[in-house]
Amino acid sequence: DAGVIQSPRHEVTEMGQEVTLRCKPISGHDYLFWYRQTMMRGLELLIYFNNNVPIDDSGMPEDRFSAKMPNASFSTLKIQPSEPRDSAVYFCASSLSVRANVLTFGAGSRLTVL
Amino acid sequence: DAKTTQPTSMDCAEGRAANLPCNHSTISGNEYVYWYRQIHSQGPQYIIHGLKNNETNEMASLIITEDRKSSTLILPHATLRDTAVYYCIVRDTGANNLFFGTGTRLTVIP
Repeated sequence: DAGVIQSPRHEVTEMGQEVTLRCKPISGHDYLFWYRQTMMRGLELLIYFNNNVPIDDSGMPEDRFSAKMPNASFSTLKIQPSEPRDSAVYFCASSLSVRANVLTFGAGSRLTVL
Repeated sequence: DAKTTQPTSMDCAEGRAANLPCNHSTISGNEYVYWYRQIHSQGPQYIIHGLKNNETNEMASLIITEDRKSSTLILPHATLRDTAVYYCIVRDTGANNLFFGTGTRLTVIP
């Protein structure tokens, strides 16, 4: 398996633009997580899904952030409109329900909002 | 959730064992101890986890004290590639939102 695949790896955009980050989890994994990492706040869980259903989105900072998982092999995290404080590395991770806390992380998407 | 306490940073000589401590004095009976690490510019990587027995895999060993209030992650022969931030996390297997904290920055010195 190629692991968790995220795209784009790097994104530079201007304030106010829409940003879409993509994630392909490991085939067969039924949990999917979106984390954000900044120097100030460390790794924060934004949202996670189980069998494509959002379970806990309490970490989503505000309404500008939305996440979807239309099928078992694809998820998106969208920021609209983006702001400079959204600059961070966004990680997607997946896991199997029988070992739900054993996460496999992707390489991350580094977002810079100017 | 039980809170963990880790040293901010540690150094280890290349080829020697790296022993990374973690205190979790408020751990409850159904909470596991998980260890992850994050090498610079990469996503976190799962290392090992355990409940009360010592565990070993190809990456590391996990020693949990009998009262489960602390644990130690052991990298038996540290290499330069083991330089990373190591996170100790305590979590119930029924809960799925891992809190990573600040971890221990391990530097392996040639």
